[in-house]
Amino acid sequence: ETGVTQTPRHLVMGMTNKKSLKCEQHLGHNAMYWYKQSAKKPLELMFVYNFKEQTENNSVPSRFSPECPNSSHLFLHLHTLQPEDSALYLCASSQETLAGVPNEQFFGPGTRLTVL
Amino acid sequence: EDKVVQSPLSLVVHEGDTVTLNCSYEVTNFRSLLWYKQEKKAPTFLFMLTSSGIEKKSGRLSSILDKKELSSILNITATQTGDSAIYLCALPQGGSEKLVFGKGTKLTVNP
Repeated sequence: ETGVTQTPRHLVMGMTNKKSLKCEQHLGHNAMYWYKQSAKKPLELMFVYNFKEQTENNSVPSRFSPECPNSSHLFLHLHTLQPEDSALYLCASSQETLAGVPNEQFFGPGTRLTVL
Repeated sequence: EDKVVQSPLSLVVHEGDTVTLNCSYEVTNFRSLLWYKQEKKAPTFLFMLTSSGIEKKSGRLSSILDKKELSSILNITATQTGDSAIYLCALPQGGSEKLVFGKGTKLTVNP
């Protein structure tokens, strides 16, 4: 158990549905991340939140909307997705400092999303 | 643009073999290099290498950073079927905490 949980673990949705992915970290970290992992592609960073503020938006389409209400919770709201958005969505957290050397990220188990 | 290239992309070996996985990188302002193991879903952290810690070892796994060659290797000795996984190399990009990942090496260890 890595201390990062994600729900749901599997999600099937139609293109017109609205759903949300949830991530919770129990490690006291101050940074959280959303990644997308598609088949045969490198892991792609989507969003970064540091101290609850979004610091990175890696050119993600607006049909993906992140929300970080506090430093332990991170959501990814999904709306009018496309079949090519089907992938494994991973959440991660880390404890970032001002020292300049990033620390390892701890990953959740992921949500396997299928868009029909 | 920062790049991380891993090789080989896939590897099939027999139990007991020793394997070496490669990661080469081009990043501005190198700070660290991380290795992850991904079995089913979430990657799990293996090692972090920095300028002050260029060699790490844990059991049958070891990793070395070669800053001159801009690369790192991950060695696994006496492989077991449980070592079958995708091994990911990642580096922080520029001045941020954003990690750039390679495509990974898929290792299959047959009994």
